[in-house]
Amino acid sequence: GQNIDQPTEMTATEGAIVQINCTYQTSGFNGLFWYQQHAGEAPTFLSYNVLDGLEEKGRFSSFLSRSKGYSYLLLKELQMKDSASYLCAVRSNDYKLSFGAGTTVTVRA
Amino acid sequence: GAGVSQSPSNKVTEKGKDVELRCDPISGHTALYWYRQSLGQGLEFLIYFQGNSAPDKSGLPSDRFSAERTGGSVSTLTIQRTQQEDSAVYLCASTEVSNQPQHFGDGTRLSIL
Repeated sequence: GQNIDQPTEMTATEGAIVQINCTYQTSGFNGLFWYQQHAGEAPTFLSYNVLDGLEEKGRFSSFLSRSKGYSYLLLKELQMKDSASYLCAVRSNDYKLSFGAGTTVTVRA
Repeated sequence: GAGVSQSPSNKVTEKGKDVELRCDPISGHTALYWYRQSLGQGLEFLIYFQGNSAPDKSGLPSDRFSAERTGGSVSTLTIQRTQQEDSAVYLCASTEVSNQPQHFGDGTRLSIL
């Protein structure tokens, strides 16, 4: 089976940095994805890691360690619009994504 | 279309009724996926289509659930004899090829009374 864990909630201040951790145990590994989901809206793709290391994309960065089954999403210079749920997903083969329950990030002024 | 379109956006129905949920993927996307999102839980994979074929139906919860895709485009997820535990948001996603990041629709919020 697939087991993907991430914290339920995190709170941070506007302008600060927040790191969302994700640990996984899956029967196969073919990449790790992070999605952002605002309430009542579609999940939108943020980042993808298949090799170890850091991928940076503007204010968002994602890190992967395959040997540790660990990833994090780093959000810098937080803005109020970053308040959302962040979903960690592992692809176990060519197509199948398994998702964590999501981390709700609340950004306070 | 510009994005994945799902209809209806909301559906309220009585227990025991059948429902049909529709997904219109991004034009040209050959791969299509259905997920279910229950409150406080992660997205749960239901079924994967490549073209009109469904090589993986392993996530369908019971034989009350079925899905089809026609013309390599629109897909319909059907739930027969709905139960209260079927209440959830049903999300559809598509990709041009299966190993690309999936693009999601806004989902159908299904409520069974």
